[in-house]
Amino acid sequence: KAGVTQTPRYLIKTRGQQVTLSCSPISGHRSVSWYQQTPGQGLQFLFEYFSETQRNKGNFPGRFSGRQFSNSRSEMNVSTLELGDSALYLCASSLEVGRTYEQYFGPGTRLTVT
Amino acid sequence: AQSVTQLDSQVPVFEEAPVELRCNYSSSVSVYLFWYVQYPNQGLQLLLKYLSGSTLVESINGFEAEFNKSQTSFHLRKPSVHISDTAEYFCAVRGFQKLVFGTGTRLLVSP
Repeated sequence: KAGVTQTPRYLIKTRGQQVTLSCSPISGHRSVSWYQQTPGQGLQFLFEYFSETQRNKGNFPGRFSGRQFSNSRSEMNVSTLELGDSALYLCASSLEVGRTYEQYFGPGTRLTVT
Repeated sequence: AQSVTQLDSQVPVFEEAPVELRCNYSSSVSVYLFWYVQYPNQGLQLLLKYLSGSTLVESINGFEAEFNKSQTSFHLRKPSVHISDTAEYFCAVRGFQKLVFGTGTRLLVSP
């Protein structure tokens, strides 16, 4: 089975611009979560989607949004980029069998805001 | 709310020496614990997990972790490390529909 894929892998944007990141989960996985990883804050939960519905959201401003499509692929969008948004954005998918909530991560998208 | 503490930000060790990476958790619900490893410029890979049953869990590459409920710990151990084990290791506990991660421990293995 193919793993979680994320596109693009690297991205450079300017302050004030917006960006869209894409994530394709493992085939059959219906839950997709997004995390932001920075040296200062570590791994922080952004949001989680299941069957096209956002089930949980972390403590991030409204500039961060996401969605999930019927094929479970997910996108996250950041509007009005700030320098502090520079980070590695990780997507993870889960089969949601029982209560294990075992997550599998993609390689991430490295976003640099200048 | 769930939380994870990894007290050691960096652990230097010589090749073939044993290592222990410490993890303590706080959870008010059923505990599901995970160790992930992140190699440079890569995403996180699941190393091992504790869901229920035996408190000692093992990975395919020689790591093991022991769930200790009384000490609320889930320390990661390896009896003999290799240069290729150099990476950052994250302990995580399952929260409400998300994983709550520790701040990570960088394992530096030198010859």
